[in-house]
Amino acid sequence: DAGVIQSPRHEVTEMGQEVTLRCKPISGHNSLFWYRQTMMRGLELLIYFNNNVPIDDSGMPEDRFSAKMPNASFSTLKIQPSEPRDSAVYFCASSLNSGSGANVLTFGAGSRLTVL
Amino acid sequence: EDQVTQSPEALRLQEGESSSLNCSYTVSGLRGLFWYRQDPGKGPEFLFTLYSAGEEKEKERLKATLTKKESFLHITAPKPEDSATYLCAVRWYSSASKIIFGSGTRLSIRP
Repeated sequence: DAGVIQSPRHEVTEMGQEVTLRCKPISGHNSLFWYRQTMMRGLELLIYFNNNVPIDDSGMPEDRFSAKMPNASFSTLKIQPSEPRDSAVYFCASSLNSGSGANVLTFGAGSRLTVL
Repeated sequence: EDQVTQSPEALRLQEGESSSLNCSYTVSGLRGLFWYRQDPGKGPEFLFTLYSAGEEKEKERLKATLTKKESFLHITAPKPEDSATYLCAVRWYSSASKIIFGSGTRLSIRP
């Protein structure tokens, strides 16, 4: 398996623009997590899905953020409109939620977002 | 509020100088405690899972231990390639699959 695949790797945009980050989890994994990492706040959980269903989105900063998982092999995190304080590295991770290796997260390489 | 606290924030060691990193958590009902390593520009990589007090796991120069309130990551005779940020994460019984990370310890090993 190619691991968790995220795109784009880097995104530079202007304040007010819409940003869409994409994630393809490991085939067979049934949990998917979106995290945001900054120097000030570390690795923050934004939202996670089990079997494509959002379970807890309490970490989503505000209504400008939304996430979807239309099927088991694809998820998006959208920011609209973007603001400079959204600048961070956004990580997607996937895992099994039962059995051997349950809850061991495999992370993607991250999407570095810069909002000017 | 459930919290995961790591200390120290940063640690600089000489090659071969052993030390320990700490991860403390303020919750009951621990369902699993995880250690990850993160290199600059990359996502975290899994190292260990611990489930119950008294459990220990080892991998090369690293050993993770768990008590009822905290976990330690012991590094023995480190080498420069062990330089990285080490992250601790916790899952609770009450939180379904929710996994929360500490702020990490930046470890630097000088040759």
